Amino acid sequence: DVKVTQSSRYLVKRTGEKVFLECVQDMDHENMFWYRQDPGLGLRLIYFSYDVKMKEKGDIPEGYSVSREKKERFSLILESASTNQTSMYLCASSLPLLGRDGQFFGPGTRLTVL
Amino acid sequence: GENVEQHPSTLSVQEGDSAVIKCTYSDSASNYFPWYKQELGKGPQLIIDIRSNVGEKKDQRIAVTLNKTAKHFSLHITETQPEDSAVYFCAASIRSGGYQKVTFGIGTKLQVIP
Repeated sequence: DVKVTQSSRYLVKRTGEKVFLECVQDMDHENMFWYRQDPGLGLRLIYFSYDVKMKEKGDIPEGYSVSREKKERFSLILESASTNQTSMYLCASSLPLLGRDGQFFGPGTRLTVL
Repeated sequence: GENVEQHPSTLSVQEGDSAVIKCTYSDSASNYFPWYKQELGKGPQLIIDIRSNVGEKKDQRIAVTLNKTAKHFSLHITETQPEDSAVYFCAASIRSGGYQKVTFGIGTKLQVIP
């Protein structure tokens, strides 16, 4: 059973804290993605990576950075958390060019910044 | 960039009736159109997809149609069941260099009333 796992289901942080969200996939996928999901806005792409140590900005990269040191792991970093970063964060992985099966998503991390 | 509009945002149907969700996209270069189902507390899961060289695709009770000229595509669920209740996302994808960029709609919350 293929899996994308995220380090936390729920996270509460304070304004100004540095926040790490971790994602691990066991499918040997080249591509990994970070989205945020907000009511009425759907899923918006923050960053993606198509190979180890490679990263590309998505539609809303401001305030975020990413790290991909190993193929199976993709981390999202909030350098200084702000209240407007309260959201559901979804990680996904896929084969190159989405392969035959599209993107596989993790269960999400609901982040609250106080 | 690509813009995907999805409607309705909410949809209630009686068990056994059909449900239709419609999406439009803006970039004629989009060539891949996946649909995802997100159940409560879970990440989105691919349920069906269609590529730009196909007009219709069916998988048991679900079907997707694509009209490239009008730049719209639709999801049809027949004989709805309570377990079909979920949020459904459409997406349009464009090949950009060596990767596929995916833009999602805002989602449709489907409620199937027993």
